Amino acid sequence: GENVEQHPSTLSVQEGDSAVIKCTYSDSASNYFPWYKQELGKRPQLIIDIRSNVGEKKDQRIAVTLNKTAKHFSLHITETQPEDSAVYFCAASIKQAGTALIFGKGTTLSVSS
Amino acid sequence: DVKVTQSSRYLVKRTGEKVFLECVQDMDHENMFWYRQDPGLGLRLIYFSYDVKMKEKGDIPEGYSVSREKKERFSLILESASTNQTSMYLCASKGSGDEQYFGPGTRLTVT
Repeated sequence: GENVEQHPSTLSVQEGDSAVIKCTYSDSASNYFPWYKQELGKRPQLIIDIRSNVGEKKDQRIAVTLNKTAKHFSLHITETQPEDSAVYFCAASIKQAGTALIFGKGTTLSVSS
Repeated sequence: DVKVTQSSRYLVKRTGEKVFLECVQDMDHENMFWYRQDPGLGLRLIYFSYDVKMKEKGDIPEGYSVSREKKERFSLILESASTNQTSMYLCASKGSGDEQYFGPGTRLTVT
């Protein structure tokens, strides 16, 4: 079946450094790729997303890039801050009914000051 | 603001019990989803529904069923709870846009 691979599973950076999380997907019909952030004890929240007709999207310190040919997409966080520490999940839409998502296993990002 | 609520934050049940987890959204969303979240495994889709009385199996439907009698409410049912169903259960809803909105989660322990 369809799957999404996410790497790395853990990432530790110093405050101010950049962080990059990478995902690959298997379903060539996927056309929507969101990233969710989940802080400890809280619900996942959407931080940025990209559709397949766009190669890159940026929102302040966060950017997402998509390579449809290679079926991979990445999250880039610049000038990291301690409050960026959380678990990040990538996801890809799956063709069933066009609405469901399949998630990666998550990356635990730790930003130390 | 979209509001997705789940009936319990914490639940403890015994093996073999029938368990109902309820999710309610207040934004008239057509689509609702149930996931379970386990450490190192991410969020795995159990079932989803794109309309009242409609349901689709996700990746791990075994041991679960769902009910959607009203648009705002999506119930997850564990017919006979087992210890391997101890997990965090997250509900989500989605309207005509792309974003899925998550509930706060129910941490279920089956003993």
